[in-house]
Amino acid sequence: AQKVTQAQTEISVVEKEDVTLDCVYETRDTTYYLFWYKQPPSGELVFLIRRNSFDEQNEISGRYSWNFQKSTSSFNFTITASQVVDSAVYFCALSSTGAGNMLTFGGGTRLMVKP
Amino acid sequence: KAGVTQTPRYLIKTRGQQVTLSCSPISGHRSVSWYQQTPGQGLQFLFEYFSETQRNKGNFPGRFSGRQFSNSRSEMNVSTLELGDSALYLCASSLGAHGKGYEQYFGPGTRLTVT
Repeated sequence: AQKVTQAQTEISVVEKEDVTLDCVYETRDTTYYLFWYKQPPSGELVFLIRRNSFDEQNEISGRYSWNFQKSTSSFNFTITASQVVDSAVYFCALSSTGAGNMLTFGGGTRLMVKP
Repeated sequence: KAGVTQTPRYLIKTRGQQVTLSCSPISGHRSVSWYQQTPGQGLQFLFEYFSETQRNKGNFPGRFSGRQFSNSRSEMNVSTLELGDSALYLCASSLGAHGKGYEQYFGPGTRLTVT
């Protein structure tokens, strides 16, 4: 069975602070894929990043960066110099070759960035 | 390219009725998945279709069904609605075949309220 845990249900920061969202996953498959999605108040899930289990390189995209560590089964997401527009619910998700395209989502972390 | 579209965006139904939701994937995408989002259960996978065939099904009762047409458009149907079916129903489309970890792009969702 697959499982994704986002222990932080809600985080509140002041604009320009850095913030890290944690994600821990469980799977028995050796080939799997990890994702982060953003859900603003409008409700639509916006794709942010995809990582496969063989690629442990960290990724940076503007103010966003991701740290994938197989040793700890974690795929954490950091927003540098947060902005009010970053306020949203962020979901970490997992799929594996054994489960087709099915995404198993974590419970989500609600990020509130205050001005 | 146009994104994933879902119709209708909002729906109010009475217990016992049935409902059909529609999803048009991104042009060229052949995989369509459906998810239910509720405050209590979070995001849960319903089913996935690829080339008109159901490839995977989540743990939902038989009242939930779906299909995919030759143009990749998909519909999901819920019969004998229950109050607990009130949720945001999200459709996601993906370019690739089953189990290859292609990123999935989500539509804006259909918010179903059962009274």
